[in-house]
Amino acid sequence: GENVEQHPSTLSVQEGDSAVIKCTYSDSASNYFPWYKQELGKRPQLIIDIRSNVGEKKDQRIAVTLNKTAKHFSLHITETQPEDSAVYFCAANGGYQKVTFGTGTKLQVIP
Amino acid sequence: DAGVIQSPRHEVTEMGQEVTLRCKPISGHNSLFWYRQTMMRGLELLIYFNNNVPIDDSGMPEDRFSAKMPNASFSTLKIQPSEPRDSAVYFCASSLEQGRTEAFFGQGTRLTVV
Repeated sequence: GENVEQHPSTLSVQEGDSAVIKCTYSDSASNYFPWYKQELGKRPQLIIDIRSNVGEKKDQRIAVTLNKTAKHFSLHITETQPEDSAVYFCAANGGYQKVTFGTGTKLQVIP
Repeated sequence: DAGVIQSPRHEVTEMGQEVTLRCKPISGHNSLFWYRQTMMRGLELLIYFNNNVPIDDSGMPEDRFSAKMPNASFSTLKIQPSEPRDSAVYFCASSLEQGRTEAFFGQGTRLTVV
């Protein structure tokens, strides 16, 4: 099955700086890579996703890049704000469309 | 649509008791997932259904766990008998298309087994 590794597990940045979270996956058949944000005590919610037919996708301050050859994908948040503080999960769907989540990155944006 | 609805929001039960968690997916979604979240193990997929049929239950910890989806608008996750190590937040999620589209999560059920 699919194996997704996520780094770092914790990340602290100053407000206004950029944050980068990286993930690798094992199943070359994966073609859907969502990113979820989970605020403390709340449910995970999708913030951006990318499919394997594109290498990059951007939505305002958030961007995701995908390198299929190296089997890794990354989340980039620019101009971070305190409300970006949360746990972020990457995921990949694997050959059987079974979405596997990474272990999460706790992002803290320091005002 | 009100989104994915789970009940109860919180459950405290004694070890050995049966626990039933309930989920109503978003109308029109074909796939339903049950996840368990703990600090130690993160977000684990327990089981998922496609068109009410269980597709993969390899994440179910052991025989004490069972899940059903009798119709497109209702699913249950049952733990019998419950144990303290089952304490976690259990999320139900649904999506239009398994593994290819956004999964919408319910608010979760926080289970505490004492």
